[in-house]
Amino acid sequence: GENVEQHPSTLSVQEGDSAVIKCTYSDSASNYFPWYKQELGKRPQLIIDIRSNVGEKKDQRIAVTLNKTAKHFSLHITETQPEDSAVYFCAASVDTGRRALTFGSGTRLQVQP
Amino acid sequence: GAGVSQSPSNKVTEKGKDVELRCDPISGHTALYWYRQSLGQGLEFLIYFQGNSAPDKSGLPSDRFSAERTGGSVSTLTIQRTQQEDSAVYLCASSAIPRLGYSGNTIYFGEGSWLTVV
Repeated sequence: GENVEQHPSTLSVQEGDSAVIKCTYSDSASNYFPWYKQELGKRPQLIIDIRSNVGEKKDQRIAVTLNKTAKHFSLHITETQPEDSAVYFCAASVDTGRRALTFGSGTRLQVQP
Repeated sequence: GAGVSQSPSNKVTEKGKDVELRCDPISGHTALYWYRQSLGQGLEFLIYFQGNSAPDKSGLPSDRFSAERTGGSVSTLTIQRTQQEDSAVYLCASSAIPRLGYSGNTIYFGEGSWLTVV
């Protein structure tokens, strides 16, 4: 089955700096790669996703890149703000909706004001 | 409903008792997932239902765990003879099935059922 590894486990940045979280996956058939943000005591919520026919996707301060050859994908947050502080999970799947997502272990991001 | 609904939101039970956790997915979503999240940990896949297909039970940690989905909608996760290590948040999620050739649809999570076994 799929195995997703995520690094780093914790990340502390100063407000306004950029943050980068990296994930690798094992199943070359995976074609859907979402990122979820989970605030303390809350449910995970999708912030951005990318499909295997795209190499990069941006949404305001958030971007995700995908390298299918190397089987890794990354989340980039620019101009970080204190409200970006949360746990971020990457995930991978083949045709989500037909199979379950496999999640990384999470990255706790702390943005220092 | 507007979102994935789970009940109870909190449950404290004695070791050895059985518990049932309920999930009501988003209307029209035929895919339903159960995940478990221990305190400060990641999301552990438990079981996946899709329409009338046989469920993917590959993530269930032991035979004390079971789940069913009635009428293709509401799902119940049952934990028999609970142990302290079962204490966790049990998250249910649902999604639509992607159309052929489309690689994925968003999975939406419920607020979770916080289970504490004492």
